[in-house]
Amino acid sequence: GAGVSQSPSNKVTEKGKDVELRCDPISGHTALYWYRQSLGQGLEFLIYFQGNSAPDKSGLPSDRFSAERTGGSVSTLTIQRTQQEDSAVYLCASSSWTSGANEQFFGPGTRLTVL
Amino acid sequence: SQELEQSPQSLIVQEGKNLTINCTSSKTLYGLYWYKQKYGEGLIFLMMLQKGGEEKSHEKITAKLDEKKQQSSLHITASQPSHAGIYLCGATRGGSQGNLIFGKGTKLSVKP
Repeated sequence: GAGVSQSPSNKVTEKGKDVELRCDPISGHTALYWYRQSLGQGLEFLIYFQGNSAPDKSGLPSDRFSAERTGGSVSTLTIQRTQQEDSAVYLCASSSWTSGANEQFFGPGTRLTVL
Repeated sequence: SQELEQSPQSLIVQEGKNLTINCTSSKTLYGLYWYKQKYGEGLIFLMMLQKGGEEKSHEKITAKLDEKKQQSSLHITASQPSHAGIYLCGATRGGSQGNLIFGKGTKLSVKP
């Protein structure tokens, strides 16, 4: 498709389990972003990729969170030993940004529920 | 760090009425982005403003960035039920960082 896609759309897991969330950006977009949206917190930035490199990981909340991007395309966000406070909607966005205007296109998100 | 304050937090209007949502920053905005989100869906890009005094329109939605580049407003004319959703303003920090900082959003409901 033409837009950003994410999978799964919903994920329910038990506390302590690891989860992987996937993002397929728009073809040709070099920049990829992960955000988290939770009640009361709004949209929080997690990590940003330019190509396969992550120049900004400042938003990752703990070392249980990691992300990688391969081939300048698909990205995976991994959360290890999930906690209930990790429950949120995880949004991925991509853009063709290198400098200047940075119009980001968002995927539909993955709703993560940690029981 | 730069923070974006949106007002109002929520808004209920009668169909056909005009409305304005504001986004205020404590620092100069290098790029201001308006998005719309419906429940369970991702963010839909509406408009981007970069220059002080800039104004853009799309259908019945107009966004403005003030001259000092610290406040933006989103104005909807003759609101329709299809305008209902959460409106979010986002801004770049400037420099080489590409991520957006977002306001908490304004929830708009339009009564038919």
